[in-house]
Amino acid sequence: DAKTTQPNSMESNEEEPVHLPCNHSTISGTDYIHWYRQLPSQGPEYVIHGLTSNVNNRMASLAIAEDRKSSTLILHRATLRDAAVYYCILISGGSNYKLTFGKGTLLTVNP
Amino acid sequence: NAGVMQNPRHLVRRRGQEARLRCSPMKGHSHVYWYRQLPEEGLKFMVYLQKENIIDESGMPKERFSAEFPKEGPSILRIQQVVRGDSAAYFCASSNPNQPQHFGDGTRLSIL
Repeated sequence: DAKTTQPNSMESNEEEPVHLPCNHSTISGTDYIHWYRQLPSQGPEYVIHGLTSNVNNRMASLAIAEDRKSSTLILHRATLRDAAVYYCILISGGSNYKLTFGKGTLLTVNP
Repeated sequence: NAGVMQNPRHLVRRRGQEARLRCSPMKGHSHVYWYRQLPEEGLKFMVYLQKENIIDESGMPKERFSAEFPKEGPSILRIQQVVRGDSAAYFCASSNPNQPQHFGDGTRLSIL
């Protein structure tokens, strides 16, 4: 699987937008970009995924660069419950079951 | 609650004992995956199963570990003759084909 690079940590204030970046310069044409997050003492939670176009759902938005070498997860209004480790994961269309979790970005949300 | 259910949430075993971890997938899901998270590390894939079949066990240690997903009942991850290094959080996920995986809250295994 292609490698992803994320900042180790980020900080935000409650009710402000948060932009979590992910670089994946070696992404291949069949790789989907998935985001998961893990709250303390819980299992990972699926957030969003996309291939080429920007995606929106009730949790977040995913902005994908035109060359697909980077993407940004956008939380429109951070809440305390959004404090978690966020993982950007590339999944090949042919082997989409073996998720590879890196160290992710630890997001701290200040009240 | 229609989510992935894992039990027990916490399991304590002495060295040499057996550990059995259970996972009930989300209703309607036919694929189950097991991952292990060692302290201060990311999750690592262990095994992928469909009903009565092991599809990929490339992440599973060759000895002492086994997994099954029978026709009826939960998926079981079994660790025989546990050692201190087996202490970790074990997460189960489930999905339908080509859909995102949904995770349970894990079983935290401690070896005395």
